[in-house]
Amino acid sequence: LAKTTQPISMDSYEGQEVNITCSHNNIATNDYITWYQQFPSQGPRFIIQGYKTKVTNEVASLFIPADRKSSTLSLPRVSLSDTAVYYCLVHTGGTSYGKLTFGQGTILTVHP
Amino acid sequence: EAQVTQNPRYLITVTGKKLTVTCSQNMNHEYMSWYRQDPGLGLRQIYYSMNVEVTDKGDVPEGYKVSRKEKRNFPLILESPSPNQTSLYFCASSHGGASYLYNEQFFGPGTRLTVL
Repeated sequence: LAKTTQPISMDSYEGQEVNITCSHNNIATNDYITWYQQFPSQGPRFIIQGYKTKVTNEVASLFIPADRKSSTLSLPRVSLSDTAVYYCLVHTGGTSYGKLTFGQGTILTVHP
Repeated sequence: EAQVTQNPRYLITVTGKKLTVTCSQNMNHEYMSWYRQDPGLGLRQIYYSMNVEVTDKGDVPEGYKVSRKEKRNFPLILESPSPNQTSLYFCASSHGGASYLYNEQFFGPGTRLTVL
């Protein structure tokens, strides 16, 4: 399983774009990258998932360079409600989906 | 409403008293998993199940048991709880199908367990 490294914490202000980068140097060919958001005392919630290049949905974008050794979650125009812990997860896709290892996560604090 | 439910949500018990935390999902998901979350250690996987009667160890399985007799239920059993199992526990499920599109995990609300 690919080990992931994220910044422990980040600070931002309302209305700014936030980019959180995750390093996964030993990602395998069959691995996918998924990001989750977690609020205190709640279960994590899926944000976005990708394999390569760029993926965008209604809440975030995920940028994955060609070598796939890192990925960047981009949150446009954050608000106070985006204050949470963000986890980057690298896992095998398809029928091999099984053991999963979450990293430490990044504590994002959005200030007024 | 599609959801993962856990019971109980809060539990205080004593060392050695067997307990079970139930987990149920109504989305017909094949994959289910248990995690524990401790301050500074993030989420750690305890056990997972790819389908009925198929279970396997995660990163921290010691002291826990699971069973998957039905697709919708995945109980977590602590045969002899100890204080170091005091933690916040989450159950999750996903389709676990052949395409990565089905690998979004849906998490339950959590069970806060205290072992005295």
